[in-house]
Amino acid sequence: DAKTTQPTSMDCAEGRAANLPCNHSTISGNEYVYWYRQIHSQGPQYIIHGLKNNETNEMASLIITEDRKSSTLILPHATLRDTAVYYCIATGNQFYFGTGTSLTVIP
Amino acid sequence: DSGVTQTPKHLITATGQRVTLRCSPRSGDLSVYWYQQSLDQGLQFLIQYYNGEERAKGNILERFSAQQFPDLHSELNLSSLELGDSALYFCASTPAPLAGIRTGELFFGEGSRLTVL
Repeated sequence: DAKTTQPTSMDCAEGRAANLPCNHSTISGNEYVYWYRQIHSQGPQYIIHGLKNNETNEMASLIITEDRKSSTLILPHATLRDTAVYYCIATGNQFYFGTGTSLTVIP
Repeated sequence: DSGVTQTPKHLITATGQRVTLRCSPRSGDLSVYWYQQSLDQGLQFLIQYYNGEERAKGNILERFSAQQFPDLHSELNLSSLELGDSALYFCASTPAPLAGIRTGELFFGEGSRLTVL
């Protein structure tokens, strides 16, 4: 499983797009990039995942660079309820969560 | 509601004691993961079971053990408890044995909060 690096914390204004970066420079060809978030002390919630193509769902968009060494999770119109810790995981095997990025959406 | 049920939601016990945490996975999910989250810490992977067999081990202490039963529910046993074992313990389930196969999405329960006094 590839090591991932994320900023410790970020702020975003309500209504603006939140762009959360993740570096996974050692990712191998069969490893997926997953994003989860954890609101306060609730169970983590799946957001999106992808292998090499960009992905979009009702929650977010995932942009993966062509060399797959980094990715960005985009929340297009952040709301206060998006304040959470966001975890990026690169894996083809186990789900190892790091410490993630603490996103604060500011009114 | 993720469909994963964990009991008890809260548990307070004393050092040296033993507790059992229970997890019922989503209907049809064969894979169960256990995670520990101490105060202000990330999620630490403890152990995974797939269809009754241990699939992978993470940072699980020897004082801790787990199993998955034929009906696919799982139990995490924590013994000789120490103050540092106070944490949220999460269970997650998925249909697949590995990330990336099919959806590979983990569905988490709401956790069991253990307090050791």
